[in-house]
Amino acid sequence: SYVLTQPPSVSVAPGQTARITCGGNNIGSKSVHWFQQKPGQAPVLVVYDDNNRPSGIPGRFSGSNSGNTATLTIIRVEAGDEADYYCQVWDTSSDHRGVFGGGTKLTVL
Amino acid sequence: QVQLVQSGAEVKKPGASVKVSCKASGYTFISYGIIWVRQAPGQGLEWMGWISTYNGNTDSAQKFQDRVTMTTDTSTSTAYMELRSLGSDDTAIYYCARKSGDPSNWFDPWGQGTLVTVSS
Repeated sequence: SYVLTQPPSVSVAPGQTARITCGGNNIGSKSVHWFQQKPGQAPVLVVYDDNNRPSGIPGRFSGSNSGNTATLTIIRVEAGDEADYYCQVWDTSSDHRGVFGGGTKLTVL
Repeated sequence: QVQLVQSGAEVKKPGASVKVSCKASGYTFISYGIIWVRQAPGQGLEWMGWISTYNGNTDSAQKFQDRVTMTTDTSTSTAYMELRSLGSDDTAIYYCARKSGDPSNWFDPWGQGTLVTVSS
């Protein structure tokens, strides 16, 4: 089955830029979606189809996807961005259609 | 607004079954699929499967195929997920979410989650 690999943790100071990667075999050929999950809350879609933002998501969030790596970028990081972030793709080649990365804990120092 | 509201927390004994509901509002129910994902305490998101609200077809992860049943009631815009033969490792928060169509298949919004605790 298709595997997505994320770093367990990323730390960044307020006002700086956070980059969270998501690795997968030829992931650039797939649509990648990103979710933010704060403690005790359900996941929230923050980027879909590689680099699109749902309504209500700040422009500080963006995504890119090429080759074997997709990246979620958060500029001007705020304390409220501290959360777990998950990447996700749809894989028709296995029974796990909705494939999630293991998640990355973003800590705002 | 588009939202999914799930049923309340459940406590079950090992071997029992649980049925979680997910009521949709704010959009045309049969125009989007519904997915089910679970999250064990302190763990990541685990894919369970999805159901087409248009024709009722389901597609579940092999791990759950023998134990899970996903259904919908289009008259009430509600999806259901039943998991049988519960074990302690089924203790988790169970989420439903609306699924877009091919090829994107993004999930938005999500229900608030239903905590299922399996304990003797």
